[in-house]
Amino acid sequence: EAGVTQFPSHSVIEKGQTVTLRCDPISGHDNLYWYRRVMGKEIKFLLHFVKESKQDESGMPNNRFLAERTGGTYSTLKVQPAELEDSGVYFCASSQGDSSYYEQYFGPGTRLTVT
Amino acid sequence: AQSVTQLDSQVPVFEEAPVELRCNYSSSVSVYLFWYVQYPNQGLQLLLKYLSGSTLVKGINGFEAEFNKSQTSFHLRKPSVHISDTAEYFCAVSESMDSNYQLIWGAGTKLIIKP
Repeated sequence: EAGVTQFPSHSVIEKGQTVTLRCDPISGHDNLYWYRRVMGKEIKFLLHFVKESKQDESGMPNNRFLAERTGGTYSTLKVQPAELEDSGVYFCASSQGDSSYYEQYFGPGTRLTVT
Repeated sequence: AQSVTQLDSQVPVFEEAPVELRCNYSSSVSVYLFWYVQYPNQGLQLLLKYLSGSTLVKGINGFEAEFNKSQTSFHLRKPSVHISDTAEYFCAVSESMDSNYQLIWGAGTKLIIKP
């Protein structure tokens, strides 16, 4: 069974440009999470999808970030326009199930560098 | 959970020596507790978790952790480390009443194995 995949693995863009990160969860997992780790600090929660619906987006830093999950499958996270402080590693995780706890499986992350 | 503190950013230890990585959290409600590991150039992998029951939890690769509710700690231990344990270790918590199960993370501890 394929794990969580993320694309691209690395992205280097200039300030003001747009970048779109993609996450493909494990097939059948309803829950999809985005997290971010900035410059060696702690990993921070960004948002949580249940199927195609945003369940919790309290961690999104500002309106330059837009996440979507079309049809409840893969998800994209778009940053527009990118700022220097957006540099970091963006992790995606997925888990199966309902309101009970299920393990979150993580992708390898996308390293975003904004210059 | 309000916060997770990993007291050491780096822990150097000789090969075959024991190691303890410390984690404390603050929360006014019951929590689930996790340790994740990130090997070089890889994604995050669940090492072990505490959901309920026995406070001593055993994980993969010979690691274990003990939940201490009174001290709000969840320290990770291994009796004898190997060079392959070189990685960054993250402590995380999730409030058990939060059906989103978003993870709140510590800043990470780099385990450096000296030959």
